[in-house]
Amino acid sequence: KNQVEQSPQSLIILEGKNCTLQCNYTVSPFSNLRWYKQDTGRGPVSLTIMTFSENTKSNGRYTATLDADTKQSSLHITASQLSDSASYICVVSASKNSGYALNFGKGTSLLVTP
Amino acid sequence: NAGVTQTPKFRVLKTGQSMTLLCAQDMNHEYMYWYRQDPGMGLRLIHYSVGEGTTAKGEVPDGYNVSRLKKQNFLLGLESAAPSQTSVYFCASRRRTISDTQYFGPGTRLTVL
Repeated sequence: KNQVEQSPQSLIILEGKNCTLQCNYTVSPFSNLRWYKQDTGRGPVSLTIMTFSENTKSNGRYTATLDADTKQSSLHITASQLSDSASYICVVSASKNSGYALNFGKGTSLLVTP
Repeated sequence: NAGVTQTPKFRVLKTGQSMTLLCAQDMNHEYMYWYRQDPGMGLRLIHYSVGEGTTAKGEVPDGYNVSRLKKQNFLLGLESAAPSQTSVYFCASRRRTISDTQYFGPGTRLTVL
């Protein structure tokens, strides 16, 4: 069964500090992995996407890594800001011809405090 | 472009009542989805559509029906609402290519009393 596990479930950090969120998956066959940011009361917004051959992708202060061998991904946030407070969701796509192949993690809730 | 819009934003129903949630996208996307999001559960797929006139069941389809009569619209219906359907509902759409980004609407918060 395809699964996506995220850790930690929640995290509190001080403004300006760095943090790393984890995503482990058992999705086969693997197509791509995305990180989404979901602000409270809003829909998720895509931050990064990585395919099998990519092991790092940056979007401003967000850097995602992918180890396809160990089936692990991380999202590193540098110099956190209050606006980074949100839920971060890992989504892994499987390669299939049907319209639905997305496997969602439950998310990590990040709170950045002054 | 407005992207993905959802109507209404909030709704309170009594048990047994029916309602329809409307999702509209102006990006000419082929695929559209309905999810529900509950605390601690993450996003769960209810139904999806790969094109006009076609729909398919997702992970949690019971108690819901959908229709995709026009490419830009995807409707989610609750025929007889139950308290267990209290949730936040998100619509999403994307192009056919699996690597394309899925764009989400702002959500509809539904409470069933």
